[in-house]
Amino acid sequence: AQKVTQAQTEISVVEKEDVTLDCVYETRDTTYYLFWYKQPPSGELVFLIRRNSFDEQNEISGRYSWNFQKSTSSFNFTITASQVVDSAVYFCALSEEGGTSYGKLTFGQGTILTVHP
Amino acid sequence: DAGVIQSPRHEVTEMGQEVTLRCKPISGHDYLFWYRQTMMRGLELLIYFNNNVPIDDSGMPEDRFSAKMPNASFSTLKIQPSEPRDSAVYFCASSTGQGRGDSPLHFGNGTRLTVT
Repeated sequence: AQKVTQAQTEISVVEKEDVTLDCVYETRDTTYYLFWYKQPPSGELVFLIRRNSFDEQNEISGRYSWNFQKSTSSFNFTITASQVVDSAVYFCALSEEGGTSYGKLTFGQGTILTVHP
Repeated sequence: DAGVIQSPRHEVTEMGQEVTLRCKPISGHDYLFWYRQTMMRGLELLIYFNNNVPIDDSGMPEDRFSAKMPNASFSTLKIQPSEPRDSAVYFCASSTGQGRGDSPLHFGNGTRLTVT
């Protein structure tokens, strides 16, 4: 069965600091997909990024970057020069390809990020 | 473009009452998911549909919960009778399959249910 672990329950930083959110996953499938979602205080879930298991290329989008390493089953998320608006709960999630697993997201427990001015 | 629309945003009801949550997926999306979020259990999948057909309902907690998707643009999640432990935020999400598993789920704003 698949599992996603976000070991950091809460992180608190001061504005402009860099912060990395860790995500470790477990799956027996060779084809799978990894996601990050953001849940701001207003409560909605906002899609940030997806990665498939065959693409280990790191990705950068503005102040956000993601580091995918199959060797350590990790998909970490870094925010550079954090801002107060980055304060939210961040979820890492995994989706497997096969059978009825298709499209089902298994979420980590989330990391609460607080960015202080 | 309109996103996933859920109603109501908040629902407060008394134990034993029937509760119906509603969802309108994004037009053209052929997958619809119902998730529940609680402090204790985090985000957990309850049921999902493909082309209006329930595919996996193994996450539905018990017979008090039922979900339907009568057409491509509407789904309901019903709890009857409701209990205080059902208090949670219920999210609906939709995606387009395209035969691949990497289509991201687009979530609605959720319904916060409180059962007293």
